[in-house]
Amino acid sequence: QVQLQESGPGLVKPSQTLSLTCTVSGGSISSGSYYWSWIRQPAGKGLEWIGRIYTSGSTNYNPSLKSRVTISVDTSKNQFSLKLSSVTAADTAVYYCARVEYQLLFSWFDPWGQGTLVTVSS
Amino acid sequence: DIQMTQSPSSLSASVGDRVTITCRASQSISSYLNWYQQKPGKAPKLLIYAASSLQSGVPSRFSGSGSGTDFTLTISSLQPEDFATYYCQQSYSTPSFTFGPGTKVDIK
Repeated sequence: QVQLQESGPGLVKPSQTLSLTCTVSGGSISSGSYYWSWIRQPAGKGLEWIGRIYTSGSTNYNPSLKSRVTISVDTSKNQFSLKLSSVTAADTAVYYCARVEYQLLFSWFDPWGQGTLVTVSS
Repeated sequence: DIQMTQSPSSLSASVGDRVTITCRASQSISSYLNWYQQKPGKAPKLLIYAASSLQSGVPSRFSGSGSGTDFTLTISSLQPEDFATYYCQQSYSTPSFTFGPGTKVDIK
Protein backbone atom coordinates (compact mmCIF):
# COMPACT_ATOMS: atom_id res chain seq x y z
CA GLN A 1 0.00 0.00 0.00
CA VAL A 2 1.07 3.55 -0.63
CA GLN A 3 2.91 5.33 2.17
CA LEU A 4 4.03 8.95 2.40
CA GLN A 5 6.93 10.38 4.40
CA GLU A 6 7.75 14.04 4.94
CA SER A 7 11.33 15.25 5.33
CA GLY A 8 13.09 18.56 5.73
CA PRO A 9 14.53 21.00 8.27
CA GLY A 10 12.70 21.22 11.56
CA LEU A 11 13.84 24.79 12.20
CA VAL A 12 13.62 27.73 9.82
CA LYS A 13 14.55 31.33 10.51
CA PRO A 14 12.00 34.11 10.06
CA SER A 15 11.88 35.60 6.54
CA GLN A 16 13.54 32.50 5.08
CA THR A 17 11.98 29.77 2.93
CA LEU A 18 10.58 26.57 4.37
CA SER A 19 11.32 23.55 2.18
CA LEU A 20 9.84 20.09 2.65
CA THR A 21 9.78 16.93 0.56
CA CYS A 22 7.25 14.10 0.59
CA THR A 23 8.50 10.72 -0.58
CA VAL A 24 5.91 8.27 -1.86
CA SER A 25 6.58 4.56 -1.45
CA GLY A 26 4.64 1.43 -2.27
CA GLY A 27 3.47 2.77 -5.60
CA SER A 28 4.30 5.20 -8.38
CA ILE A 29 3.39 8.83 -7.85
CA SER A 30 2.39 8.85 -11.52
CA SER A 31 -0.03 5.93 -11.40
CA GLY A 32 -3.73 6.56 -11.19
CA SER A 33 -5.50 9.88 -11.29
CA TYR A 34 -4.30 11.26 -8.01
CA TYR A 35 -3.39 14.70 -6.83
CA TRP A 36 -0.81 15.16 -4.09
CA SER A 37 -1.33 17.70 -1.37
CA TRP A 38 0.19 19.55 1.58
CA ILE A 39 -1.77 20.33 4.74
CA ARG A 40 -0.58 21.95 7.96
CA GLN A 41 -1.68 22.09 11.58
CA PRO A 42 -0.42 24.58 14.17
CA ALA A 43 -0.06 23.12 17.64
CA GLY A 44 -3.43 22.63 19.27
CA LYS A 45 -5.28 23.98 16.25
CA GLY A 46 -7.13 22.75 13.20
CA LEU A 47 -6.10 21.67 9.73
CA GLU A 48 -5.33 24.05 6.88
CA TRP A 49 -5.05 22.93 3.26
CA ILE A 50 -1.99 24.47 1.58
CA GLY A 51 -2.14 23.23 -2.00
CA ARG A 52 -2.07 20.32 -4.40
CA ILE A 53 -0.21 19.15 -7.48
CA TYR A 54 -0.91 16.69 -10.27
CA THR A 55 1.92 14.69 -11.77
CA SER A 56 1.64 16.84 -14.90
CA GLY A 57 2.82 19.70 -12.70
CA SER A 58 -0.56 21.43 -12.55
CA THR A 59 -1.02 23.15 -9.18
CA ASN A 60 -3.69 24.79 -7.04
CA TYR A 61 -3.05 26.73 -3.86
CA ASN A 62 -4.95 28.05 -0.88
CA PRO A 63 -5.67 31.70 -1.77
CA SER A 64 -4.51 32.79 1.68
CA LEU A 65 -1.03 31.36 1.04
CA LYS A 66 -0.82 31.51 -2.74
CA SER A 67 1.67 34.37 -2.93
CA ARG A 68 4.20 32.45 -0.84
CA VAL A 69 3.69 28.80 -1.84
CA THR A 70 5.26 26.66 -4.53
CA ILE A 71 4.56 22.94 -4.87
CA SER A 72 6.55 20.87 -7.33
CA VAL A 73 6.84 17.21 -8.30
CA ASP A 74 9.76 14.98 -9.27
CA THR A 75 8.30 11.82 -10.74
CA SER A 76 11.75 10.26 -11.23
CA LYS A 77 12.26 10.33 -7.46
CA ASN A 78 8.62 9.63 -6.59
CA GLN A 79 8.55 12.84 -4.60
CA PHE A 80 6.72 16.13 -4.38
CA SER A 81 7.86 19.21 -2.52
CA LEU A 82 6.66 22.32 -0.74
CA LYS A 83 8.33 25.70 -0.57
CA LEU A 84 6.87 28.45 1.60
CA SER A 85 8.66 31.76 1.44
CA SER A 86 8.96 34.68 3.86
CA VAL A 87 7.99 32.58 6.85
CA THR A 88 6.99 33.99 10.22
CA ALA A 89 6.20 32.42 13.58
CA ALA A 90 2.62 31.97 12.34
CA ASP A 91 3.92 29.33 9.92
CA THR A 92 5.09 27.12 12.78
CA ALA A 93 3.10 23.91 12.43
CA VAL A 94 3.11 20.22 11.74
CA TYR A 95 3.16 19.82 7.97
CA TYR A 96 1.51 16.78 6.41
CA CYS A 97 1.60 15.47 2.89
CA ALA A 98 -1.35 13.46 1.63
CA ARG A 99 -2.73 11.85 -1.50
CA VAL A 100 -5.95 13.27 -2.88
CA GLU A 101 -8.15 10.47 -4.13
CA TYR A 102 -11.00 11.10 -6.55
CA GLN A 103 -14.08 9.06 -7.36
CA LEU A 104 -16.52 10.68 -9.74
CA LEU A 105 -16.62 14.27 -8.46
CA PHE A 106 -15.87 13.33 -4.85
CA SER A 107 -12.40 13.69 -3.34
CA TRP A 108 -10.68 13.06 -0.04
CA PHE A 109 -7.25 12.87 1.59
CA ASP A 110 -5.93 9.34 2.02
CA PRO A 111 -3.35 8.27 2.98
CA TRP A 112 -1.41 10.87 4.98
CA GLY A 113 2.23 11.08 5.93
CA GLN A 114 3.09 11.01 9.62
CA GLY A 115 3.75 14.76 9.64
CA THR A 116 6.82 16.83 10.38
CA LEU A 117 7.08 19.72 12.81
CA VAL A 118 8.55 22.91 11.42
CA THR A 119 9.36 25.68 13.87
CA VAL A 120 10.03 29.22 12.68
CA SER A 121 12.42 30.89 15.08
CA SER A 122 15.67 32.81 15.07
CA ASP B 1 -15.26 30.65 0.69
CA ILE B 2 -17.13 27.78 2.28
CA GLN B 3 -16.86 27.81 6.07
CA MET B 4 -17.29 24.68 8.15
CA THR B 5 -18.45 24.57 11.75
CA GLN B 6 -18.69 21.63 14.12
CA SER B 7 -20.62 21.06 17.30
CA PRO B 8 -19.93 20.42 20.00
CA SER B 9 -16.29 21.51 20.13
CA SER B 10 -15.71 18.84 22.75
CA LEU B 11 -17.68 16.17 24.53
CA SER B 12 -17.17 13.67 27.28
CA ALA B 13 -18.58 10.20 26.88
CA SER B 14 -18.29 6.71 28.29
CA VAL B 15 -17.38 3.47 26.59
CA GLY B 16 -20.51 2.05 25.01
CA ASP B 17 -22.19 5.44 24.54
CA ARG B 18 -23.72 6.50 21.25
CA VAL B 19 -21.96 9.67 20.11
CA THR B 20 -23.12 12.14 17.47
CA ILE B 21 -21.02 14.98 16.06
CA THR B 22 -22.51 17.64 13.80
CA CYS B 23 -20.85 19.50 10.95
CA ARG B 24 -22.45 22.44 9.16
CA ALA B 25 -21.39 24.12 5.94
CA SER B 26 -21.94 27.82 5.21
CA GLN B 27 -23.60 26.88 1.90
CA SER B 28 -24.89 23.73 0.34
CA ILE B 29 -22.13 21.24 -0.45
CA SER B 30 -24.37 18.36 -1.57
CA SER B 31 -22.62 15.22 -0.25
CA TYR B 32 -19.06 16.49 -0.66
CA LEU B 33 -18.17 15.92 2.95
CA ASN B 34 -15.52 13.74 4.56
CA TRP B 35 -14.75 12.81 8.16
CA TYR B 36 -11.34 12.17 9.74
CA GLN B 37 -10.18 10.90 13.11
CA GLN B 38 -6.98 12.25 14.65
CA LYS B 39 -5.27 10.89 17.73
CA PRO B 40 -2.62 12.91 19.61
CA GLY B 41 0.68 13.06 17.75
CA LYS B 42 -0.73 11.20 14.76
CA ALA B 43 -1.89 12.12 11.30
CA PRO B 44 -5.60 12.30 10.56
CA LYS B 45 -7.19 9.10 9.32
CA LEU B 46 -10.05 8.98 6.81
CA LEU B 47 -13.23 7.48 8.26
CA ILE B 48 -16.07 8.51 5.96
CA TYR B 49 -16.07 9.97 2.43
CA ALA B 50 -18.88 11.37 0.32
CA ALA B 51 -20.89 11.97 3.50
CA SER B 52 -21.86 8.37 4.14
CA SER B 53 -19.39 5.94 2.57
CA LEU B 54 -17.31 4.01 5.07
CA GLN B 55 -13.61 3.85 4.23
CA SER B 56 -12.26 0.32 3.90
CA GLY B 57 -11.03 -1.05 7.21
CA VAL B 58 -13.00 1.40 9.36
CA PRO B 59 -15.25 -0.30 11.94
CA SER B 60 -18.95 -0.34 11.14
CA ARG B 61 -19.80 1.46 14.39
CA PHE B 62 -18.85 4.65 12.51
CA SER B 63 -21.46 6.08 10.17
CA GLY B 64 -22.07 9.35 8.40
CA SER B 65 -25.20 11.01 7.13
CA GLY B 66 -26.51 14.27 5.75
CA SER B 67 -26.46 16.38 2.63
CA GLY B 68 -26.70 20.03 1.74
CA THR B 69 -25.47 21.97 4.76
CA ASP B 70 -25.96 19.62 7.72
CA PHE B 71 -24.03 16.42 8.38
CA THR B 72 -23.51 14.02 11.26
CA LEU B 73 -20.90 11.51 12.27
CA THR B 74 -22.23 8.83 14.60
CA ILE B 75 -20.31 6.32 16.68
CA SER B 76 -22.87 3.71 17.65
CA SER B 77 -20.98 2.29 20.63
CA LEU B 78 -17.92 4.22 21.71
CA GLN B 79 -14.80 2.13 22.18
CA PRO B 80 -11.63 3.04 24.11
CA GLU B 81 -9.70 3.53 20.87
CA ASP B 82 -12.25 6.07 19.62
CA PHE B 83 -11.19 8.81 22.01
CA ALA B 84 -9.76 11.33 19.57
CA THR B 85 -10.50 14.54 17.69
CA TYR B 86 -12.81 14.36 14.69
CA TYR B 87 -12.71 16.73 11.73
CA CYS B 88 -15.10 17.23 8.86
CA GLN B 89 -13.81 18.49 5.49
CA GLN B 90 -15.63 19.75 2.42
CA SER B 91 -14.54 18.97 -1.11
CA TYR B 92 -17.38 20.79 -2.90
CA SER B 93 -15.23 23.80 -3.70
CA THR B 94 -12.35 21.70 -5.02
CA PRO B 95 -9.57 22.49 -5.61
CA SER B 96 -10.01 24.56 -2.48
CA PHE B 97 -10.62 22.36 0.55
CA THR B 98 -11.60 23.44 4.06
CA PHE B 99 -11.80 21.60 7.35
CA GLY B 100 -14.04 22.07 10.32
CA PRO B 101 -12.47 23.16 13.62
CA GLY B 102 -12.69 19.69 15.14
CA THR B 103 -14.58 17.93 17.93
CA LYS B 104 -12.60 16.38 20.74
CA VAL B 105 -14.09 13.25 22.26
CA ASP B 106 -12.69 12.36 25.65
CA ILE B 107 -13.43 10.01 28.50
CA LYS B 108 -16.15 10.91 30.98
